[in-house]
Amino acid sequence: DTEVTQTPKHLVMGMTNKKSLKCEQHMGHRAMYWYKQKAKKPPELMFVYSYEKLSINESVPSRFSPECPNSSLLNLHLHALQPEDSALYLCASSQGTDEKLFFGSGTQLSVL
Amino acid sequence: QKEVEQNSGPLSVPEGAIASLNCTYSDRGSQSFFWYRQYSGKSPELIMSIYSNGDKEDGRFTAQLNKASQYVSLLIRDSQPSDSATYLCAVNEGGTYKYIFGTGTRLKVLA
Repeated sequence: DTEVTQTPKHLVMGMTNKKSLKCEQHMGHRAMYWYKQKAKKPPELMFVYSYEKLSINESVPSRFSPECPNSSLLNLHLHALQPEDSALYLCASSQGTDEKLFFGSGTQLSVL
Repeated sequence: QKEVEQNSGPLSVPEGAIASLNCTYSDRGSQSFFWYRQYSGKSPELIMSIYSNGDKEDGRFTAQLNKASQYVSLLIRDSQPSDSATYLCAVNEGGTYKYIFGTGTRLKVLA
């Protein structure tokens, strides 16, 4: 089983809203990731959690707040987003460094 | 700046032909290499991984790696219209959680 589950699949939010994206994996992977992807661009790394601790923050604005409640779950809390934050948000997981990276189905986010 | 370069395409091949997708990378310390297929509006799907020089075959897919030339390629045999997608090459920065993605090659298989 190589499944990473993301919810919701689609999200529309206003600039004053607070929402959360959720991600779950049951592969026993120790690293979980958030990526952002704009149309016709490659995925862009936002955050990495390794062993439930924040390992990488790619200078992401504070309106994006990640959380890793346990080794299987990853959340991305959204607050006061801008229209330019509209994108496909991808969760991914891997067993470790240099290992295969598996993506979830993504959340298509629109900020109005 | 570590980079992964791909021809953006589109690469058009007739049904049943071999599609050849290429990727070059700049980081000599990279040890793991991946190919993803991404349909429009969907998430990337891992189709091949390769770690050693040479060829690795999986069904209709063959990945080829040449670390000396910093080159990795993907061959798709007996191409089908359902293979029409964008193919992303990804290279891991050795020993890290950072994967550098190319901009992708759009493949069109013509029926």
